[in-house]
Amino acid sequence: SQTIHQWPATLVQPVGSPLSLECTVEGTSNPNLYWYRQAAGRGLQLLFYSVGIGQISSEVPQNLSASRPQDRQFILSSKKLLLSDSGFYLCAWSPGLAGIQYFGAGTRLSVL
Amino acid sequence: KNEVEQSPQNLTAQEGEFITINCSYSVGISALHWLQQHPGGGIVSLFMLSSGKKKHGRLIATINIQEKHSSLHITASHPRDSAVYICAALDRGSTLGRLYFGRGTQLTVWP
Repeated sequence: SQTIHQWPATLVQPVGSPLSLECTVEGTSNPNLYWYRQAAGRGLQLLFYSVGIGQISSEVPQNLSASRPQDRQFILSSKKLLLSDSGFYLCAWSPGLAGIQYFGAGTRLSVL
Repeated sequence: KNEVEQSPQNLTAQEGEFITINCSYSVGISALHWLQQHPGGGIVSLFMLSSGKKKHGRLIATINIQEKHSSLHITASHPRDSAVYICAALDRGSTLGRLYFGRGTQLTVWP
């Protein structure tokens, strides 16, 4: 069966520090991968999506970047965190473009 | 204006009550998701439907494509149903499977 792993679960980082969140999927190949952010009191917002290795598309301009170095690995990064980067980050995968999306457990990021 | 609107924003119920959460959307969709987010943040997909009705245990989801409206019903609600329920519309025109999310409905069921 397919599983999605996301870590760390919580993270507290100072402003200006770098960020690396990792997401891996097991039990499937060539998944579509997504990074979402949920700011406090707001709905989920799509940040990045990827349909294949090295193929990253960004939905909104921001302080973050994403990479897909391997088929089932999706990484969210920042060189210098801002206070506004605080939030709950979720990774998701889907088997196809119109398929159901399966979510990871999420990372709660606090930038202080 | 949000492409997906949910109501109510907050809902409190006594154990055993019948619950309804509503979702309206303005985009053309190929399917609609209902998601459940637990207090720790993890999200579980409950349903994906493109027409009619789906049932899983005490949960029922319906969709009316013409009216651009979906409902999630919980029969015989239980305290363990307490969670945030999120409606998400799958954009019909998207090549990547783009979802538009509602802001969620916080459900609290008291024993």
